[in-house]
Amino acid sequence: RKEVEQDPGPFNVPEGATVAFNCTYSNSASQSFFWYRQDCRKEPKLLMSVYSSGNEDGRFTAQLNRASQYISLLIRDSKLSDSATYLCAVNIPTGGFKTIFGAGTRLFVKA
Amino acid sequence: DTAVSQTPKYLVTQMGNDKSIKCEQNLGHDTMYWYKQDSKKFLKIMFSYNNKELIINETVPNRFSPKSPDKAHLNLHINSLELGDSAVYFCASSQLGQGYEAFFGQGTRLTVV
Repeated sequence: RKEVEQDPGPFNVPEGATVAFNCTYSNSASQSFFWYRQDCRKEPKLLMSVYSSGNEDGRFTAQLNRASQYISLLIRDSKLSDSATYLCAVNIPTGGFKTIFGAGTRLFVKA
Repeated sequence: DTAVSQTPKYLVTQMGNDKSIKCEQNLGHDTMYWYKQDSKKFLKIMFSYNNKELIINETVPNRFSPKSPDKAHLNLHINSLELGDSAVYFCASSQLGQGYEAFFGQGTRLTVV
């Protein structure tokens, strides 16, 4: 079983739609959680951290469910510019910390 | 004023050659990483260094040898390159600790022919 799993998609949605991504992690010792965005042929960049109580940043809402070991990302009112790959990531303590990424979910927002 | 910079951006080389990729970060972070992103876009951790010390080595062939001369630099040397080594290699850095995100370099696209 992979340490972090995501539905690879692609998700094809019209502008203005609401879309949700889920991600599950296997290591119960995971301590920090993130969503990254990666544009084509670019490096991943942090979209938002995910906090236990859930958090919102504009049109983006992230949730964490520790009991079920999954995190989610909700994008409201999708824009064309939201088209990208969304990677979930977890920090796992291993003497230091290592950041493990899911394979990413590809999103296409259409006009 | 790039935070994490790696060179070269593109690298095309023949099988059997030895090549190096350099990485530098000016964020003052104490932890640096190398990741490999293959053709299926899966981003897999290879190595992690904290203050010049290797702390994670994720079952990578020993043809890959990271070197950290100081905590701001982490280079990757690859011996006897194989076709399967073709991928994008990303350097990243972060502060050591549970809540800190990773900052990535722009990637090095390695093609072995």
